[in-house]
This record gives sequence, structure tokens and C-alpha cells, in this order.
Amino acid sequence: KAGVTQTPRYLIKTRGQQVTLSCSPISGHRSVSWYQQTPGQGLQFLFEYFSETQRNKGNFPGRFSGRQFSNSRSEMNVSTLELGDSALYLCASNERGPNYEQYFGPGTRLTVT
Amino acid sequence: QQQVKQSPQSLIVQKGGISIINCAYENTAFDYFPWYQQFPGKGPALLIAIRPDVSEKKEGRFTISFNKSAKQFSLHIMDSQPGDSATYFCAAGGNNRKLIWGLGTSLAVNP
Repeated sequence: KAGVTQTPRYLIKTRGQQVTLSCSPISGHRSVSWYQQTPGQGLQFLFEYFSETQRNKGNFPGRFSGRQFSNSRSEMNVSTLELGDSALYLCASNERGPNYEQYFGPGTRLTVT
Repeated sequence: QQQVKQSPQSLIVQKGGISIINCAYENTAFDYFPWYQQFPGKGPALLIAIRPDVSEKKEGRFTISFNKSAKQFSLHIMDSQPGDSATYFCAAGGNNRKLIWGLGTSLAVNP
């Protein structure tokens, strides 16, 4: 099976802009989780989608949102970008949810200037 | 507020040595404790995981030791190899479908 893919791999945006990141999970995986990874804070959970429903959400402001489509592909959106949003955004998928082995994509490196 | 505390932040080990990374958690509702390994430019990959019904789990050179009463768990890498040089993350999860991650340990194995 093909692995988790994320597009784009790298992105440079300006403060105040918005951005949409895409994640295609492994075929058959219905759970998609998003994480923000920064050197100082490690991996922080953003949200999880399962069969198009958001099952859980982390402690991030409302500027961070996501959705999942019927084919399990997922997108996350960040509006009104701030410098502190610069990070590696990781997507992970599996069949059952975060408390089982998750398969991570390579991430999208977002730089906000 | 960091609910999973991981130490050390970085670790240097000689080839053939034992690498030990520790994690402590606060929430007694956690019932899933995985360790993930991440190489530069890659996403994390599951190395080994344990649930609290056992105190130890071994897979090849990697062992998780779990102490429920102390709310601690650790990763032991036996016969450490240069190829093990990576960042290691512990995590803890409960029934709220949310994994809480440690801040990571950067391991360097000298040849």
C-alpha cells in the first residue's frame, strides 16, 4: 500500500494569510490525526477525524480547522497566520484511532514570514 | 502543561552500549504507551508500544519497561547501533482518542 502523503511538502506564507494543507491517508484508513511539531513543544495534537467526523480536538485556537472527505482524505486550514504558526505539520492515519499504531506522512514544513 | 515528561533531552551512546530514555505521566486514565522513532525529514514511526496490563515488552533490541505505580515507562535500546541515531518520542493515550507526547530525545550513537 502507498504510505500517507502530504501536500505541499514546503510552504512559505506571509503573516495574515491563510493556508490549506492536504493529507491522503493509507487506503482503508478512516482515522486521520493532525499534529503540529516544533522544536520547543514537540508534537502537539491538533484534531482527529474519523469517517468524516471530528472525534477530538487539541488546545489550539479556532484559526486552526480541518475536515475530512468521504474518501478519508483530510485537509487542515490555518487562517490569519502568525509567526508562531511556523512548524512541521504532520498527518497520521490508521484504521481505529490514535491509541493504535499510527502511520505518519512526511509532513508539511510551513514557514510564516 | 506537559502531561508526559521525557528525559533526557539528548543522549550520546557508544556503539554496542545501552540507550535508556525515560518518561513519566500524570493522568492515571492513560492506557496506551507507545514509543515512536523519527529520522530527519521523515514522520515518526511506531517502534514499540505497551498497555498497562504488562510490565515489560521486548521486540528485538528494544524493550519497554512499565511501572504503573510510579507512573513511569522507559525505552531500553540494547546493543545500540549508529543506525539507531534518531529522535525518540514517548506518548500516552487514554479513551479520549488523544495522544499526549513527550518533547523527544535526540539519540546519537557513536561508531
